[in-house]
This record gives sequence, C-alpha cells and structure tokens, in this order.
Amino acid sequence: GENVEQHPSTLSVQEGDSAVIKCTYSDSASNYFPWYKQELGKRPQLIIDIRSNVGEKKDQRIAVTLNKTAKHFSLHITETQPEDSAVYFCAAPGRDDKIIFGKGTRLHILP
Amino acid sequence: KAGVTQTPRYLIKTRGQQVTLSCSPISGHRSVSWYQQTPGQGLQFLFEYFSETQRNKGNFPGRFSGRQFSNSRSEMNVSTLELGDSALYLCASSSGQGARTDTQYFGPGTRLTVL
Repeated sequence: GENVEQHPSTLSVQEGDSAVIKCTYSDSASNYFPWYKQELGKRPQLIIDIRSNVGEKKDQRIAVTLNKTAKHFSLHITETQPEDSAVYFCAAPGRDDKIIFGKGTRLHILP
Repeated sequence: KAGVTQTPRYLIKTRGQQVTLSCSPISGHRSVSWYQQTPGQGLQFLFEYFSETQRNKGNFPGRFSGRQFSNSRSEMNVSTLELGDSALYLCASSSGQGARTDTQYFGPGTRLTVL
C-alpha cells in the first residue's frame, strides 16, 4: 500500500554538527514533498518543500534533496542550534490526492 | 491574515458520546484537511474538503465524518466515542489546489480526551 517511511525516529546531534533525516515514498506520481517542524506544544509549520522538477533546494541552514528514481528525499540541517530541537515530519502525496505524513523524527541538539 | 483557528482547544468526553470540532481556515483558502495526532503514530490523515466537497478520506471508521461550509469553515464529528479516539485533532488549510500541491497551515489543534 501507499506509505511514507521516515528514518530515524530519534536523532541526537552535537550542537554545530549536521543532521540528516530521510524519507521514502511509494507513489511514483508524487511531485510535492514538504517538511514540517513541530516544536513541543506547538503546531506543525512548513520549513522547506521541494517539487519533482528539481533535485535540491536550500534555505540558509536547511536543504532538501530529492531522488525520484530511488523515491526518497532527505532533510539536511547544517550548523545545528538548540532551537532546531523539535519533531520533523516529511510528507508526500499518495494516490487519490491523499497527503501522507511520515511518523516523525525527534531531533535533540546536545550542548 | 489571521491564522487557522480551531475550537474548542480542549474537550473531555466519555465513551459513547459524540463530539463536534470546528476549524476556520485562513481567509481565501478553500482546502481544509483534518489529521489525528497521537504519540508514535504521527499525523494520520482523516479527510480533506475543497470547496464544500469531500475530496478524499483516510482509513478511519464511519464514526468520523466532516463537512465544509460555503465560507470554507469546516467541522468534523466523531460519534460513539471510544477510548482510542483520545488524541490531538489538527486541521490545516491550503490555498491553490490543496494539500497535494501547496503548503498546509495548521491550526493549534483540539485536544480530545475520552474517559
């Protein structure tokens, strides 16, 4: 069935190091891949997204890469800071226009 | 523009009761989606409404229903509540063609507790 798998479920990195979160999807027709950040007790908010006509997109310390052949996309956060601690969700459209979210990655930035 | 709002923010119900949650999208957004968020399960899609029509539905039992009004405000209803329905219910609105192609803006959620 249609699925979005997200790994790892938990990630701890030293402040200043990089963090990478990966998602795989099943519907080859998917063409929009957003990433949302949810801080504790707050609502999810979009941090970056990518469409299938490009392979990479950057916004300051955050980047997303897309490999359509392998059906996976990744979030890269460089020079991590304490405020990057949160749960990150990837998403991809499945069949019938349903948007499917990964189960989330809890990112801990260690001092 | 004002953000997405949801009412009520907190609800406590008992098993067997029913509940109605409300969502007001960002002005001009025609798409409203609903999600159930529980620890360990992430965000599970309930349904999406676009211009008063249910566009698609997730894998939830028929006890979960919704609707959208002409002003794009949306409600979801859960009948015959079960303990497992305890969760944070989030709605999100999108412009353009909806969640499949555009950014979703989430509301603060309604925390439902079923006793």
